[in-house]
Amino acid sequence: SQQGEEDPQALSIQEGENATMNCSYKTSINNLQWYRQNSGRGLVHLILIRSNEREKHSGRLRVTLDTSKKSSSLLITASRAADTASYFCATDALGGYNKLIFGAGTRLAVHP
Amino acid sequence: KAGVTQTPRYLIKTRGQQVTLSCSPISGHRSVSWYQQTPGQGLQFLFEYFSETQRNKGNFPGRFSGRQFSNSRSEMNVSTLELGDSALYLCASSMEGGETQYFGPGTRLLVL
Repeated sequence: SQQGEEDPQALSIQEGENATMNCSYKTSINNLQWYRQNSGRGLVHLILIRSNEREKHSGRLRVTLDTSKKSSSLLITASRAADTASYFCATDALGGYNKLIFGAGTRLAVHP
Repeated sequence: KAGVTQTPRYLIKTRGQQVTLSCSPISGHRSVSWYQQTPGQGLQFLFEYFSETQRNKGNFPGRFSGRQFSNSRSEMNVSTLELGDSALYLCASSMEGGETQYFGPGTRLLVL
């Protein structure tokens, strides 16, 4: 069963707008990662945030982590049509030996 | 560095048959994990191998098995295929002690 829940399930915005996706999880974690998937292809790693970090930036991406609420958010600023994809959060549980637990994902559509 | 490669990319089988999928990790990566992605269940962890040893296993029936070779390449096998095994099978590799998993393009299996 999946640990994470993501919302919204789908998001439709215009180019230039910001997109925010949220993720919740259930157990204690080592880290939380965000991945992007284009049209049922492989997953592309976007960013990793460790359990002792609260915020991390990478280019147009900003990730926050609140371990007390067991939740994370991914913000994509100034969205582009090329950002259209599904976004998944994945948690690496304590003692998990690289066992990632994925959320259901958010489908993002960015319209020109 | 070459990324994770998976073969074959597409496969069509009939119920009752068996199938073997192959994954070559990024050079130097010794951990290989396998995931199944379906529209209904999302991304689910199958198993993880490190140095030819299975360290972790997900909640899948015994029909799903895997192995890892001394060069870190991995195979997974599904015996007695069922219609519900139709899915995108993804493998990911990571460095020893590494936190980030790098995914291959996947093998899309269709069971008729």
